[in-house]
Amino acid sequence: QSVLTQPRSVSGAPGQTVTIFCTGSSSNIGAGYDVHWYQQLPGTAPKLLIYGRNNRPSGVPDRFSGSKSGTSASLAITGLQAEDEADYYCQSYDSSLRGVFGGGTKVIVL
Amino acid sequence: EVQLVESGGILVQPGGSLRLSCAASGFTFSNYEMNWVRQAPGKGLEWVSYISGSGRTIYYADSVEGRFTVSRDNAKNSLSLQMDSLRTEDTGVYYCTRADVVAFWVFDYWGQGTLVTVSS
Repeated sequence: QSVLTQPRSVSGAPGQTVTIFCTGSSSNIGAGYDVHWYQQLPGTAPKLLIYGRNNRPSGVPDRFSGSKSGTSASLAITGLQAEDEADYYCQSYDSSLRGVFGGGTKVIVL
Repeated sequence: EVQLVESGGILVQPGGSLRLSCAASGFTFSNYEMNWVRQAPGKGLEWVSYISGSGRTIYYADSVEGRFTVSRDNAKNSLSLQMDSLRTEDTGVYYCTRADVVAFWVFDYWGQGTLVTVSS
């Protein structure tokens, strides 16, 4: 069981908005540590998608956005495209001196 | 261009040992913290280990504490993971990742991964 909780899958039609929630606790997200999001396309290594408050590395479309509140964080994908079908992981730091990931969410484009 | 290239993954029997390596290039290696992250077949990502830029501070996941040892050679731009007393549940792809300074504990670059299979 992952320390951070994510839904196993979300789905949406092209053009729609999907939101993935990531729930932690007072020792990680709730303690104020940054939450980051990664995208993993089938058969490839994960890629950083969103970091910190709502920052995107160069090349990441602004259709992707992140937010955080209390012990939870979320990733929104607006204007969903077929190429967005992938696994998405949230990640943070825990005060027990370790990195923590969510279990991953598969985004399905209908 | 930042590059991280892992090597060393093979098939090993339970109880055996293995050493993974990660060759870094395209950045000043000693300035960056590094982490190992693994992924069991069909499963999610699991953080394994952290090492500071100097190598003086090290953390491990509970699942590998006492069995795995992370180290780095800044002169050779190399990161290593010594894996002892391997278990079947250690099977998976192991990724070498760089932790950037723009945000706390963010893994901005990942290697392509190396597959470790622990099986009899």
